Amino acid sequence: ILNVEQSPQSLHVQEGDSTNFTCSFPSSNFYALHWYRWETAKSPEALFVMTLNGDEKKKGRISATLNTKEGYSYLYIKGSQPEDSATYLCAFCGDKLIFGTGTRLQVFP
Amino acid sequence: ETGVTQTPRHLVMGMTNKKSLKCEQHLGHNAMYWYKQSAKKPLELMFVYSLEERVENNSVPSRFSPECPNSSHLFLHLHTLQPEDSALYLCASSQDFLYEQYFGPGTRLTVT
Repeated sequence: ILNVEQSPQSLHVQEGDSTNFTCSFPSSNFYALHWYRWETAKSPEALFVMTLNGDEKKKGRISATLNTKEGYSYLYIKGSQPEDSATYLCAFCGDKLIFGTGTRLQVFP
Repeated sequence: ETGVTQTPRHLVMGMTNKKSLKCEQHLGHNAMYWYKQSAKKPLELMFVYSLEERVENNSVPSRFSPECPNSSHLFLHLHTLQPEDSALYLCASSQDFLYEQYFGPGTRLTVT
């Protein structure tokens, strides 16, 4: 059974705080790891597609790292803003395409 | 035009009804996906089509029947559904299978 796990399930932070969360995935048959952001009442939007061990990607205040050998990826948000409030999903792409349950982030002003 | 559209946005149907969900993408992508999102569960991949051929079917009950007539359109035909099939059904497309996906707004389905 293939599992993709995300932690924590939910996170409440103050505006200006930096935060990070984890996606754990199978370390075999790896092709890519995707991160998506899903705001309430909207569709999921792709943040990053990561394919190589050691990959680091950055988009504004959000960045991600990838370790395929140990099967994890971290997503970092620097200086959180209320508009960062959303559910962040990771998806393992390998012999199966599997989404994690997501980390729900709420940023309070 | 928006990238991926889905119709209808909301659907209420009885267990004996037959209905269809429609997805259309205007991005020139080769792969299309159907997902089911139930409360407090991860997104569940139902079907994947790549170049109009089904490449993945995750043991979905036969009461759900996909159809991909061309690379821009994807349908999900529904018949004799159960109340537990009530969920948000999302369509997505990507340039090719396993590339980053672009999602539609979803269809909120309620089975009574």
